[in-house]
Amino acid sequence: GAVVSQHPSWVICKSGTSVKIECRSLDFQATTMFWYRQFPKQSLMLMATSNEGSKATYEQGVEKDKFLINHASLTLSTLTVTSAHPEDSSFYICSARDSGILAGWGYNEQFFGPGTRLTVL
Amino acid sequence: AQSVTQLDSHVSVSEGTPVLLRCNYSSSYSPSLFWYVQHPNKGLQLLLKYTSAATLVKGINGFEAEFKKSETSFHLTKPSAHMSDAAEYFCVVSEGGNNDMRFGAGTRLTVKP
Repeated sequence: GAVVSQHPSWVICKSGTSVKIECRSLDFQATTMFWYRQFPKQSLMLMATSNEGSKATYEQGVEKDKFLINHASLTLSTLTVTSAHPEDSSFYICSARDSGILAGWGYNEQFFGPGTRLTVL
Repeated sequence: AQSVTQLDSHVSVSEGTPVLLRCNYSSSYSPSLFWYVQHPNKGLQLLLKYTSAATLVKGINGFEAEFKKSETSFHLTKPSAHMSDAAEYFCVVSEGGNNDMRFGAGTRLTVKP
């Protein structure tokens, strides 16, 4: 099956620094990737939709200048949390939509990465 | 816009007994519906999905779900719970070409020995 990786799996940083999280589709091309945020014991909230070669689309209430998304290739999207603060501590999960056709599930399935736990001190 | 409501935040069952996790959805179009499982500090694993084919969907690990349009429901069931089923379960709806997914609040399943 399709695999999505995230790096790093966890990161601890000081308040005020910036952190970059990578999301890679390992065995398929993804013109669209999604970024989610999950607070402890809560559900996933869609933050933004990332399209290869164009600007990301942010959900209402998500600061685009704080959460910078770059989708420079068909296999890589990055989320940069700028000037991180303790309230940005969360579990960040990406997903990628297969641009091609997969046997069985179909072309529009999203595949989720394992997540990145960010702790801001 | 699409949305899902998971009717129980926490379900507790004994090992070997049936599991029922309830989900109702709202959608303006013919939706795709999914169930994902998340073990502690882990990513999401797809259990099963419905995309306008057979209304009874069989997934992995013995789980299945039935799409009932008249009731706007997509409940997840398993005949016999196993200790390893203890996890958080999310019901998800997706509609339209954009394919963005909306997650329910989650149901935490506890399995007692």
